[in-house]
Amino acid sequence: QKEVEQDPGPLSVPEGAIVSLNCTYSNSAFQYFMWYRQYSRKGPELLMYTYSSGNKEDGRFTAQVDKSSKYISLFIRDSQPSDSATYLCAMKGARAGGTSYGKLTFGQGTILTVHP
Amino acid sequence: SAVISQKPSRDICQRGTSLTIQCQVDSQVTMMFWYRQQPGQSLTLIATANQGSEATYESGFVIDKFPISRPNLTFSTLTVSNMSPEDSSIYLCSVEDFLAGDYNEQFFGPGTRLTVL
Repeated sequence: QKEVEQDPGPLSVPEGAIVSLNCTYSNSAFQYFMWYRQYSRKGPELLMYTYSSGNKEDGRFTAQVDKSSKYISLFIRDSQPSDSATYLCAMKGARAGGTSYGKLTFGQGTILTVHP
Repeated sequence: SAVISQKPSRDICQRGTSLTIQCQVDSQVTMMFWYRQQPGQSLTLIATANQGSEATYESGFVIDKFPISRPNLTFSTLTVSNMSPEDSSIYLCSVEDFLAGDYNEQFFGPGTRLTVL
């Protein structure tokens, strides 16, 4: 079993739709939960990160973490064609004081296409 | 945020040859990482390269196949040795930047797309 599982899709939605992307994980040591966006022929770029459980909002993007279920989500509201990309979840641990620590463990990535 | 460049951006190589990929960062960083991203797959960490010490390799990756150099705080190279078609992949350089607060963000280069015939 992989440490992080992510539905690879592909996912195709019309412009304006709400998109839900999800990952599950097995390692309870993960404390930091990240979402990266990767455009074709580019490196991944960080969209958002969340520490421990809870929600975080940034514009049209909302990240949710449910540590009890080992489940994280990224919601994209009012999706745009420019959101078409591969979305990767990633996770890492934390030191006793809360500072992020250890290597990033990635999900497989979900390919999203938003069509006009 | 750190800006990372990689050379070459892509290459097509013959079986049995070696390719060295360069990674340049616009600021001094302690930790640099090399990842592989195979088609339809996630990013897999090959090794961590800290300046002044030997690279640390992840399970399944060995120094003879993927030698790494880290001569200073802004530069690193990854060599893919004795290549086979199974080495066809995107190779990504990454650095960790210490931000204010508790989270150390990782930035990624654009990647080197390698095809082995």
